[in-house]
Amino acid sequence: DVKVTQSSRYLVKRTGEKVFLECVQDMDHENMFWYRQDPGLGLRLIYFSYDVKMKEKGDIPEGYSVSREKKERFSLILESASTNQTSMYLCASSLPTAGTETQYFGPGTRLLVL
Amino acid sequence: QKEVEQNSGPLSVPEGAIASLNCTYSDRVSQSFFWYRQYSGKSPELIMSIYSNGDKEDGRFTAQLNKASQYVSLLIRDSQPSDSATYLCAVVSYGGSQGNLIFGKGTKLSVKP
Repeated sequence: DVKVTQSSRYLVKRTGEKVFLECVQDMDHENMFWYRQDPGLGLRLIYFSYDVKMKEKGDIPEGYSVSREKKERFSLILESASTNQTSMYLCASSLPTAGTETQYFGPGTRLLVL
Repeated sequence: QKEVEQNSGPLSVPEGAIASLNCTYSDRVSQSFFWYRQYSGKSPELIMSIYSNGDKEDGRFTAQLNKASQYVSLLIRDSQPSDSATYLCAVVSYGGSQGNLIFGKGTKLSVKP
């Protein structure tokens, strides 16, 4: 079974703090994704990565950065947290081949920025 | 802008009935389609994937795909209260060399005992 883990289930931070969210997958997947999910807005793609050291902007990258130094690990960084970044953050991973694009999600991190 | 549209619901069905969830998509070249279930406060989990026109059955779940109409649906037979969740439709979008998933906003299903 694919296992995707995220470093925290719940996180409370102050405005202006630097926040690190970590995601680790154990299935040797090339692709990794960060989403945020807000009521009424659905899942929105922040950043994704198809390989180590590689990153691509998703639909809402502003205020975020990412790091992928190892294949199994994909980190999301909030450089200076703001209240509008309060959200559920979901990490996912998948294989790159057509027909195997199923994304497997981690349990999510619920971030509250005060 | 590639889109996946779902009726937000809530869709309410009595226990034992068939629940029918629908999804339309805008990208004609999409070849892979997915249904995820998401319980409140939890992350999405894959229920079914479908790649060819027609029906695909897995237990009480049937996914139906019609590429000509750009339409994919999920039927849940003998609905149970434990099926109460939000169901997300996802479609592969091909841009560049790899495909990302485009998610609909989900349909909330409530199965009443």
